[in-house]
Amino acid sequence: AQKVTQAQTEISVVEKEDVTLDCVYETRDTTYYLFWYKQPPSGELVFLIRRNSFDEQNEISGRYSWNFQKSTSSFNFTITASQVVDSAVYFCALSVLDTGRRALTFGSGTRLQVQP
Amino acid sequence: ETGVTQTPRHLVMGMTNKKSLKCEQHLGHNAMYWYKQSAKKPLELMFVYNFKEQTENNSVPSRFSPECPNSSHLFLHLHTLQPEDSALYLCASSQAREGYEQYFGPGTRLTVT
Repeated sequence: AQKVTQAQTEISVVEKEDVTLDCVYETRDTTYYLFWYKQPPSGELVFLIRRNSFDEQNEISGRYSWNFQKSTSSFNFTITASQVVDSAVYFCALSVLDTGRRALTFGSGTRLQVQP
Repeated sequence: ETGVTQTPRHLVMGMTNKKSLKCEQHLGHNAMYWYKQSAKKPLELMFVYNFKEQTENNSVPSRFSPECPNSSHLFLHLHTLQPEDSALYLCASSQAREGYEQYFGPGTRLTVT
């Protein structure tokens, strides 16, 4: 069975601070995919990134960066110089190549509040 | 329109009503999903369709009945719901291959009175 843990329920920062959202996953599969989604107050989940288990390179996209470490089963997400528009719930998710099952296993989410 | 659309965005229904939620994707995907998001609970997968065939039913009560007439449309028919079914219902679509990201619609906020 797969599991995704986002231990931080809620984080509050002041604008321009850097913030890291933690994600720890569990799976016995050697081939899997990890994702991050953003859910702003409007409700729609917005896809941010996909990373497969064979690619441990960190990725940077503007103010966003992701640190994937298989040794610790973690896929952490850092926002640099946070902005009020970053306020949302962020979900980490896992998908494994398991007999065609394509559903995502989501963590419980981390609510980020960026104060002006 | 682009992406994944859902209608209605908000729905209030009594426990004896019958209503349907509609989802449409304009991304050329062949897999579609229904998720339920309740307050303070993780996203729960309800149903998965691949090429119009249901491939997963995550022990969902029969008062929820999905329908997928083609790869672009997905419905969720609701009848005799309970107040605890009040939630945000999210539709998603993806390529029908493992590992591809899912794209979500804005959701239908359902309130059962």
